[in-house]
Amino acid sequence: KQEVTQIPAALSVPEGENLVLNCSFTDSAIYNLQWFRQDPGKGLTSLLLIQSSQREQTSGRLNASLDKSSGRSTLYIAASQPGDSATYLCAVTGSARQLTFGSGTQLTVLP
Amino acid sequence: DADVTQTPRNRITKTGKRIMLECSQTKGHDRMYWYRQDPGLGLRLIYYSFDVKDINKGEISDGYSVSRQAQAKFSLSLESAIPNQTALYFCATSVTDSNQPQHFGDGTRLSIL
Repeated sequence: KQEVTQIPAALSVPEGENLVLNCSFTDSAIYNLQWFRQDPGKGLTSLLLIQSSQREQTSGRLNASLDKSSGRSTLYIAASQPGDSATYLCAVTGSARQLTFGSGTQLTVLP
Repeated sequence: DADVTQTPRNRITKTGKRIMLECSQTKGHDRMYWYRQDPGLGLRLIYYSFDVKDINKGEISDGYSVSRQAQAKFSLSLESAIPNQTALYFCATSVTDSNQPQHFGDGTRLSIL
């Protein structure tokens, strides 16, 4: 059974810092890996999707990498802003085309 | 208007009651999903449907049932609610291509007393 782990569970940084969120998964037979953002009282918003054949994806200040063989992904956020404060969730799509989620990292960016 | 709409947004009810959560979408997506989120556990898949005539159990389907009334509508029922079904419930949709992201509603916060 696929298990997805996110470390740390919570992170607080001052504005302007670059930061890295980590995600690991136990079964490397994945179809893709996605990073989502969740704001309080809101649903999930997809940030980046990395297909299994890709190594990274970038969108603005966000860069996500994937090392399938080691079962790891990182989400890099450059020049963090208070508006980046949210919970970030990692999820992998397995062979059954179902998403398995990690429990998330709650990020607080202090002004 | 939101592309994926969940109703109600909040619900408080008592043990043993029948509850229906509804999801409708205007995205024209074939695939629809129901998840629950518990503190510290991430989202877990309850049921999913790849088209109107297709219903599949997810990781935690016991105690739940679903109905796909149309391409745009997917409802989740709790036949006899119990307190450990208290959670945040999300509906999501996607296109057929699994390399496209799922789109989520804003969730239903369900409390069972």
